[in-house]
Amino acid sequence: DTEVTQTPKHLVMGMTNKKSLKCEQHMGHRAMYWYKQKAKKPPELMFVYSYEKLSINESVPSRFSPECPNSSLLNLHLHALQPEDSALYLCASSQDRWGEQFFGPGTRLTVL
Amino acid sequence: GEDVEQSLFLSVREGDSSVINCTYTDSSSTYLYWYKQEPGAGLQLLTYIFSNMDMKQDQRLTVLLNKKDKHLSLRIADTQTGDSAIYFCAERGGNKLTFGTGTQLKVEL
Repeated sequence: DTEVTQTPKHLVMGMTNKKSLKCEQHMGHRAMYWYKQKAKKPPELMFVYSYEKLSINESVPSRFSPECPNSSLLNLHLHALQPEDSALYLCASSQDRWGEQFFGPGTRLTVL
Repeated sequence: GEDVEQSLFLSVREGDSSVINCTYTDSSSTYLYWYKQEPGAGLQLLTYIFSNMDMKQDQRLTVLLNKKDKHLSLRIADTQTGDSAIYFCAERGGNKLTFGTGTQLKVEL
């Protein structure tokens, strides 16, 4: 298995909802990432997990809460989001923090 | 962070070569990458080059690196309509990737 999968593909939520994004890889990678991407813009790094520990938080608001339950899974818990949080959320993984990153297809999030 | 610049748009005819350029500023970058993003999709890693190399060829793709000028380019030979996408260069400084602004490639018949 050489891919990163993300669920759901699309998500629409209200500002008072709580939802979660999921990411999974079975390549034995030990680093996993969350990125946020606005239309026609490059991805912006949000979080990095290395060996299931949070190693980078790019000053992301606390309404985004990452979780790495095991080496294959990465979640992003969402609560009290704002309409400006609407974006494509991309997950990536790499062999370690210095390896090339492989991306999932993304979750298109719309906050109403 | 460091800025990585790309031209916004490139239009080519099918069968021609495309050259996408990228200028970076971090001279300590170890690896430089090219990613392709089709509409509504994630990023696909196309190729990468180590900073001590000048050139890398992979089938229709040729990467050129001018480290003195901090200039990276991606040449796509025999460009096809399926190559239409946004192309991002990215530099690795430490353990983070910094992406370029992206170049939208349009391939016309």
